[in-house]
Amino acid sequence: AQKITQTQPGMFVQEKEAVTLDCTYDTSDPSYGLFWYKQPSSGEMIFLIYQGSYDQQNATEGRYSLNFQKARKSANLVISASQLGDSAMYFCAMREGLDTGRRALTFGSGTRLQVQP
Amino acid sequence: GAGVSQTPSNKVTEKGKYVELRCDPISGHTALYWYRQSLGQGPEFLIYFQGTGAADDSGLPNDRFFAVRPEGSVSTLKIQRTERGDSAVYLCASSSLAGGLREQFFGPGTRLTVL
Repeated sequence: AQKITQTQPGMFVQEKEAVTLDCTYDTSDPSYGLFWYKQPSSGEMIFLIYQGSYDQQNATEGRYSLNFQKARKSANLVISASQLGDSAMYFCAMREGLDTGRRALTFGSGTRLQVQP
Repeated sequence: GAGVSQTPSNKVTEKGKYVELRCDPISGHTALYWYRQSLGQGPEFLIYFQGTGAADDSGLPNDRFFAVRPEGSVSTLKIQRTERGDSAVYLCASSSLAGGLREQFFGPGTRLTVL
């Protein structure tokens, strides 16, 4: 089974609108972290937001928020007030075994977001 | 300060050749990671160093792949007897001991093409 599933290969959004990028995950580990990274055409992976499995509140970082639904094993990224510079690939990732010191990230296949003027 | 740097940015080689890819992490970062990103896919974990030692090499696909970090800073990923399937972007990331619980800072990658 896929550890991280991103079902939207591509998404379009109008500038200034909000958009939700979907991510579901699969783990039996009780201690894990969920990440979203942005990859512009330049290729560098840019960290956006993090949610720990024990965090009570959904994470927010500026225009980014993570809609964490633990029972459904989903960690959707919400981008508010989209900007043209938000056009990029977006990857959801998970790190399992937070309490064992494991550091490897498992990534999904990504969603390409295009913001239209 | 400078981010993670990787050299070369592009490497073209022939099947069967040996290649070395270099990663220079953010100064002071003790943790260093290598990932491989094939076209149209997300990055795939290869190996993680804490200091000079490989703390987790479970992602290395086979014994043709090897990585070192002799002084706990710069790391080199070595691929022997390259195959066409090794063509990918090789990403390096680093993090501080505490910061690694959250973000890993990625470099721009080395695009390897095996002809």
